[in-house]
Amino acid sequence: QVELVQSGAEVKKPGSSVKVSCKASGGTLNNYAFIWIRQAPGQGLEWIGMIIPMFDTSYYGEALRARVTIFADESTGAVYMELNNLKSEDTAVYYCAGQEARLLGLQLDYWGQGTPVTVSS
Amino acid sequence: EIVLTQSPGILSFSPGERVTLSCRASQNIKRNYLTWYQQKPGQAPRPLIYGASNRVTGIPDRFTGSGSGTDFTLTISRLEPEDFAVYYCQHYAASVFTFGGGTKVEIK
Repeated sequence: QVELVQSGAEVKKPGSSVKVSCKASGGTLNNYAFIWIRQAPGQGLEWIGMIIPMFDTSYYGEALRARVTIFADESTGAVYMELNNLKSEDTAVYYCAGQEARLLGLQLDYWGQGTPVTVSS
Repeated sequence: EIVLTQSPGILSFSPGERVTLSCRASQNIKRNYLTWYQQKPGQAPRPLIYGASNRVTGIPDRFTGSGSGTDFTLTISRLEPEDFAVYYCQHYAASVFTFGGGTKVEIK
């Protein structure tokens, strides 16, 4: 059973970048798929993208495809989500969720605590 | 692109009542990859139902999922105080995750 711990809250200026980490403990990165989801204040859940470290492959939602990169670092045991050219509408809580790779598509069992990102001038 | 529609956005009930939540897909989807989540304020979502009708381990049997094709339902047989929350349906296909807009179940 893996536990996901995310990096802390961020405050950023418009046009800058943010990198949020999600450290997986109690499991090997290659056994899991990691999904990034965000939730703007008072809004619903929006899928950002996914990485399957075993295949070193990332997939992205259309809305943020041009500005987001998701990658994994086996040496740190963490996955990362980097969002560039930040806009005020990127203000949200960013969640990392994990799922055993062999069960991809079923429920997202493991969740990080969420990382609030505020974009403000 | 599959769109999941959950309506209405807010429902009001009293404890003990039966609740039926709807999730409608813009096209036929495989029920194997339809999941329901519960989210409370300040918390990450928690999975309740996977494969449209299978309860996640530890979820009380008052939660039931059903449906196929384009119409899916989450039923709470008797609302408990801890069930007041927002409920989301979610689908997976071809490396894409899609969430419905959510339905908030509030206290009447």
